[in-house]
Amino acid sequence: GENVGLHLPTLSVQEGDNSIINCAYSNSASDYFIWYKQESGKGPQFIIDIRSNMDKRQGQRVTVLLNKTVKHLSLQIAATQPGDSAVYFCAENPRGAQKLVFGQGTRLTINP
Amino acid sequence: DAGITQSPRHKVTETGTPVTLRCHQTENHRYMYWYRQDPGHGLRLIHYSYGVKDTDKGEVSDGYSVSRSKTEDFLLTLESATSSQTSVYFCAIRGLSDTQYFGPGTRLTVL
Repeated sequence: GENVGLHLPTLSVQEGDNSIINCAYSNSASDYFIWYKQESGKGPQFIIDIRSNMDKRQGQRVTVLLNKTVKHLSLQIAATQPGDSAVYFCAENPRGAQKLVFGQGTRLTINP
Repeated sequence: DAGITQSPRHKVTETGTPVTLRCHQTENHRYMYWYRQDPGHGLRLIHYSYGVKDTDKGEVSDGYSVSRSKTEDFLLTLESATSSQTSVYFCAIRGLSDTQYFGPGTRLTVL
């Protein structure tokens, strides 16, 4: 597909295993963070978000963890399925800004 | 899909020709964005709009212009397309919680 980099970090996991995707963000003033999933040939799809007053948020099979001390964000996907194969990237919203800053992404491959 | 459509979905054009891409939304969102996505660069903001006739530049605005004459439509124009503008273009809207939701994209090839 056309999405993202030739040299993206990659992660391969076995179907049914849990996966953790990491993201380091740059701006200590960012107060809102989002994880997106992008399948080949499609637009980025919202997965889960978290505000800076929280350190953990759970969705369906996904959990986002925020560590503001080290400016680190992670996405945990439980019991991975073949449909989870995609590029995942984080985005941060600096406080007061009307724009998001996107990370480069990680390619997740689920092996049967 | 947050009610976002983009047209055309694919376009091939020649260097020097003008090109206009359209983003249409059905949910009356105030903020709309145009991004391009290229290998090695991820998503980069071209222009955005915060209301009818209110627009601002993003990080890669050179060679692009935008217009928003009504809430539902945000147009991106390449006045004279160059090969470096070959890319996939995504439109996005900002929802109530500051989350951006993306359209399906337009693949543009400039020969």
